[in-house]
Amino acid sequence: QVQLVESGGGMVQPGTSLRLSCAASGFSFSSYSMHWVRQAPGKGLERVAVILYDVDNKYYADSVKGRFTISRDNSKNTLYLQMNSLRTEDTAVYSCARGGGSTGKYYMDVWGKGTTVTVSS
Amino acid sequence: QSALTQPASVSGSPGQSITISCTGTSSDVGTYNLVSWYQQHPGEAPKVLIYEVNKRPSGVSNRFSGSKSGNTASLTISGLQAEDEADYYCCSYTGSNSDVVFGGGTKLTVL
Repeated sequence: QVQLVESGGGMVQPGTSLRLSCAASGFSFSSYSMHWVRQAPGKGLERVAVILYDVDNKYYADSVKGRFTISRDNSKNTLYLQMNSLRTEDTAVYSCARGGGSTGKYYMDVWGKGTTVTVSS
Repeated sequence: QSALTQPASVSGSPGQSITISCTGTSSDVGTYNLVSWYQQHPGEAPKVLIYEVNKRPSGVSNRFSGSKSGNTASLTISGLQAEDEADYYCCSYTGSNSDVVFGGGTKLTVL
């Protein structure tokens, strides 16, 4: 069945880096745009980055632009989020999600359960 | 980009219908028919209920329906069931750089 499983979360200090991974299975990964969405404790959802199926096109939320990098390895069916210069406000559950529809940019039709990132001194 | 505005909570009794509103601006909800709705039970991943304002993915109950008027989108749940108790989020394209914005979420309580 279609499945997304995130890993790589943990507790880190402000200013450090972390790389999240999302292993995809059950569908043709290379044909889909993929998103990273986060949810801070007690807060709503925020889409932080999306990478289109053609790889060259990537978009970021203003809150992470210049610090986070989304990438994918279609040969490994894996999505990544490299997070640098982490801040306490980046503390959240990070989920990967598959883009739905013809462009895959505007909604997410399959979600992972997420991995927790805690940024604290 | 500011978050879309949703009521913090709504409630209803089993069998009733409820509507959750999602208010944006003329730059997002008002211009683009690219509103989606998600259901999230505690500790679980979100699930898409509605996309492109009023389209239901395969497998989603027809008790869930979406609509839009002006800058406000709405999710209606008919024949409320206990299992519908969850958090609900709306999302819209913002017209800028493939960006989307979510609402703050609405907690639905089934009385």
